[in-house]
Amino acid sequence: RKEVEQDPGPFNVPEGATVAFNCTYSNSASQSFFWYRQDCRKEPKLLMSVYSSGNEDGRFTAQLNRASQYISLLIRDSKLSDSATYLCVVKPQTGNQFYFGTGTSLTVIP
Amino acid sequence: DAGITQSPRHKVTETGTPVTLRCHQTENHRYMYWYRQDPGHGLRLIHYSYGVKDTDKGEVSDGYSVSRSKTEDFLLTLESATSSQTSVYFCAISAGQGREKLFFGSGTQLSVL
Repeated sequence: RKEVEQDPGPFNVPEGATVAFNCTYSNSASQSFFWYRQDCRKEPKLLMSVYSSGNEDGRFTAQLNRASQYISLLIRDSKLSDSATYLCVVKPQTGNQFYFGTGTSLTVIP
Repeated sequence: DAGITQSPRHKVTETGTPVTLRCHQTENHRYMYWYRQDPGHGLRLIHYSYGVKDTDKGEVSDGYSVSRSKTEDFLLTLESATSSQTSVYFCAISAGQGREKLFFGSGTQLSVL
């Protein structure tokens, strides 16, 4: 079983739409959670960390559900510039390895 | 900017030849990583390092070796390149006291013909 699983999409949404991505993880001892954004042919870049209480950064909201072992990313009022692949990343409590989902592709359509 | 430089950015080589990719960081981070990224697989860890001369294997380490003789440099070597090693290779460092996050270099596109 994979450490981290994501729906690969693609998600094609119109500008202004709200879109949500989910990600599940298998290791209940996971400690740190992140969403990364990756543009075509570029390196992944940290979008936001995910905290237990949930957190918001502008149009982006991340949530963590430890009981069900999933994290989510909500994008409100989608912009064309949000088109990218979004990667879910999990780090266990012990060790210093990070585990990646395969990514979810988002295209925002004019 | 986490001060990570990868070289070369692109490389085309032939099956059976040795290849070395270099990752250089300027901020003295302890942990460095090599990942490969392939369609349908996402990012997979090849090797990582937790200090000078301290390295460990990741999930796809077969056919790869690494060396870290200085804090700032982490080298990935394909001893005898194969076509299955055609991929995009990313170097990363982890930073952030108590809540480490990964920061990536710009990647190396390697094609093995």
